Amino acid sequence: GENVEQHPSTLSVQEGDSAVIKCTYSDSASNYFPWYKQELGKRPQLIIDIRSNVGEKKDQRIAVTLNKTAKHFSLHITETQPEDSAVYFCAAIPSSGGYQKVTFGTGTKLQVIP
Amino acid sequence: ETGVTQTPRHLVMGMTNKKSLKCEQHLGHNAMYWYKQSAKKPLELMFVYSLEERVENNSVPSRFSPECPNSSHLFLHLHTLQPEDSALYLCASSQRTGDAEAFFGQGTRLTVV
Repeated sequence: GENVEQHPSTLSVQEGDSAVIKCTYSDSASNYFPWYKQELGKRPQLIIDIRSNVGEKKDQRIAVTLNKTAKHFSLHITETQPEDSAVYFCAAIPSSGGYQKVTFGTGTKLQVIP
Repeated sequence: ETGVTQTPRHLVMGMTNKKSLKCEQHLGHNAMYWYKQSAKKPLELMFVYSLEERVENNSVPSRFSPECPNSSHLFLHLHTLQPEDSALYLCASSQRTGDAEAFFGQGTRLTVV
């Protein structure tokens, strides 16, 4: 089955700096990679996703990159703000099975220090 | 609100109790999921229902029993749980079981004493 590793488990950055969270996956059948943000006591929410036919995707201060050959993808947050503090989860999903076959990473707790 | 509502938000139960978690979605989705979120572990997919039929059961102990009476409601019936079952239980829904975005509820924080 799929195995998703996420690093680091915790990350502290100064406000305004960039944050990078990396995930690796093992199953080449995975082709959809969403990222979820979960603030303390709140539900996980999708913030950005990428499909295997794309190498990079940006949405304002958030970007995701995908290297299919190396089987890793990363979340990049620029100009971090205190409200970016949360736990971020990556996930890998195969084309056949969708969320029935999703594998999540263990999460990264990001703390943005004002 | 994302349209996925879970009740109760918090639940404390003894090991001999029977309780149920409820999830309701008003997004018109046809797939619903139960996840378990434990500290320092990845989200674990427990059950998947698509069009009210269970399509996935990830080797979950029988003390957890799901029920999907219609496409908008999902229950998780609990009985004779163990302390290690204490966790945040998240419900989610999606338009289909493909790669559409999954919308999560806020979860039920379960403590088994």
